[in-house]
Amino acid sequence: DGGITQSPKYLFRKEGQNVTLSCEQNLNHDAMYWYRQDPGQGLRLIYYSQIVNDFQKGDIAEGYSVSREKKESFPLTVTSAQKNPTAFYLCASTPLGADLVFGSGTRLTVV
Amino acid sequence: QKEVEQNSGPLSVPEGAIASLNCTYSDRVSQSFFWYRQYSGKSPELIMSIYSNGDKEDGRFTAQLNKASQYVSLLIRDSQPSDSATYLCAVNNRGGNNRKLIWGLGTSLAVNP
Repeated sequence: DGGITQSPKYLFRKEGQNVTLSCEQNLNHDAMYWYRQDPGQGLRLIYYSQIVNDFQKGDIAEGYSVSREKKESFPLTVTSAQKNPTAFYLCASTPLGADLVFGSGTRLTVV
Repeated sequence: QKEVEQNSGPLSVPEGAIASLNCTYSDRVSQSFFWYRQYSGKSPELIMSIYSNGDKEDGRFTAQLNKASQYVSLLIRDSQPSDSATYLCAVNNRGGNNRKLIWGLGTSLAVNP
């Protein structure tokens, strides 16, 4: 079945540690997005990419990094510079100009 | 002023009633409008997209867009308990291929059996 796979579903990070969230899609979509969702704050865009080897910062990129080496993959690294990383992270993709489809999300907690 | 505003709710309706969810936006050049449903602990799923003034119907759902008044609404007819969720309004004012959406905070809907 086609879709967007995010892994892991739950992730625990220690203080000062970098962690990488995986996002893979087999929909042949060109554009991919990373959002962060906090209670009461709605969805906020971290990074997005419209083509391979190119990506742009969203509204809250500080403390995060991404890569887009393959069309199918758009991993997000939460670095130690992100001081408040506990949140629900959502990856989405779309053919250019079409509607966003979301993965099932990764819930990151700092311990 | 927030760019996309929604009443946070909770909006409570009895089973079988019509639920009306509203969203206003501030940027007059906005071109694309979306309603997503999000169950607790899950990711958003697209319910409706609308691009031109008027109504768009899909089953029990109707989206209504009024660009002059800068609002978009979602009507859910014959509401079911399974419709209980948070409904997110999203707006795209860039047009073309860019899907960098601006999101409202969502309206919580509770359908009571």
